[in-house]
Amino acid sequence: QKEVEQDPGPLSVPEGAIVSLNCTYSNSAFQYFMWYRQYSRKGPELLMYTYSSGNKEDGRFTAQVDKSSKYISLFIRDSQPSDSATYLCAMTVQGAQKLVFGQGTRLTINP
Amino acid sequence: GAVVSQHPSWVICKSGTSVKIECRSLDFQATTMFWYRQFPKQSLMLMATSNEGSKATYEQGVEKDKFLINHASLTLSTLTVTSAHPEDSSFYICSAREAEKLFFGSGTQLSVL
Repeated sequence: QKEVEQDPGPLSVPEGAIVSLNCTYSNSAFQYFMWYRQYSRKGPELLMYTYSSGNKEDGRFTAQVDKSSKYISLFIRDSQPSDSATYLCAMTVQGAQKLVFGQGTRLTINP
Repeated sequence: GAVVSQHPSWVICKSGTSVKIECRSLDFQATTMFWYRQFPKQSLMLMATSNEGSKATYEQGVEKDKFLINHASLTLSTLTVTSAHPEDSSFYICSAREAEKLFFGSGTQLSVL
């Protein structure tokens, strides 16, 4: 079993829809949770960063962490074609050098 | 957010030559940098962890003599692909840690003819 599981998709939704992206994990020690967006042939860009449980909102993006269920989510409201990209979740424990990444979900927003 | 600069963006070279890729943290000091490789439509594959002033730590299956990493300062790490061959053609991405966050460079597309 992988430490972090993420459905690779592809996921295709119409413009304006609410998108829900998710990751599950097995290591209860993870404390720091991140979502990255990667466009084709570009490096990943940090979208959201959350410590421990709870919600965090930034514009159209909301990140949720449920440590009791070992489940994190990224919601995108009013999705736009420019949101079409691969979204990767990542997490780590305090003091660890490496982040553990999910496989990434390919998302397409159709005009 | 912090900025990581990676150069070149793309490089084409002949088989047997060596190629150097630079990764710089522009507005923060990074004691730890990472090098990834990515094939089309696949996820990131960690190649090595680069620590300032010490030898890099390579992931299992990555040839350290093929992929030379130097992290001589707190803002610069380099990856040299030695004696490159067509199978080394790939997208290489560096990243640098600031606290618990990881910031990525824009990537380098290497094509070996």
